[in-house]
Amino acid sequence: GAGVSQSPRYKVAKRGQDVALRCDPISGHVSLFWYQQALGQGPEFLTYFQNEAQLDKSGLPSDRFFAERPEGSVSTLKIQRTQQEDSAVYLCASSSPGGTGADLRPQHFGDGTRLSIL
Amino acid sequence: GDSVTQMEGPVTLSEEAFLTINCTYTATGYPSLFWYVQYPGEGLQLLLKATKADDKGSNKGFEATYRKETTSFHLEKGSVQVSDSAVYFCALGAGDMRFGAGTRLTVKP
Repeated sequence: GAGVSQSPRYKVAKRGQDVALRCDPISGHVSLFWYQQALGQGPEFLTYFQNEAQLDKSGLPSDRFFAERPEGSVSTLKIQRTQQEDSAVYLCASSSPGGTGADLRPQHFGDGTRLSIL
Repeated sequence: GDSVTQMEGPVTLSEEAFLTINCTYTATGYPSLFWYVQYPGEGLQLLLKATKADDKGSNKGFEATYRKETTSFHLEKGSVQVSDSAVYFCALGAGDMRFGAGTRLTVKP
């Protein structure tokens, strides 16, 4: 498709279970980003990939959160031993190569995965 | 660290009213500034951007000017429509973008 695709759209899990969220970026986009959006808040940055390299993971809230992008395209965000505070919408975004400094290409967002932990 | 503060909502306007949503930022250097919009049930969409001081971003009748002297990037539209009802997010930077909390706009016929 033409846009960023995320799956599943909704995920319900019991506390303590592991979950995996998938992101399929726009074809040709080398940069990929994950954000967490709590209800009524703006997105909070989690991590950033350029191709398969994870260049920034400073936003991951704990070591239970893990992201990978082994072939530089599809990415998976994994949350182990989920807690209720992990309930949020997880957004993936990608951007095209090119641009530097203040003129980096804008990010294109997927519709997100709404995660509910019971 | 870099951050964005935007006007709290919700904002309710009648159709054809003038809209302003305030956004101010704190940043080292000169980041790019963005407005994103989230329509009900949809993902974030880029509305407009500005990459340097005094740049004006515009799209779909919305405008915002990058003001370095007031560290602001206020969103404006001269005549809103019901279809503009959405949540609007101000954001800065690139890579680890920083978003405001969002402002919900409802436009009534």
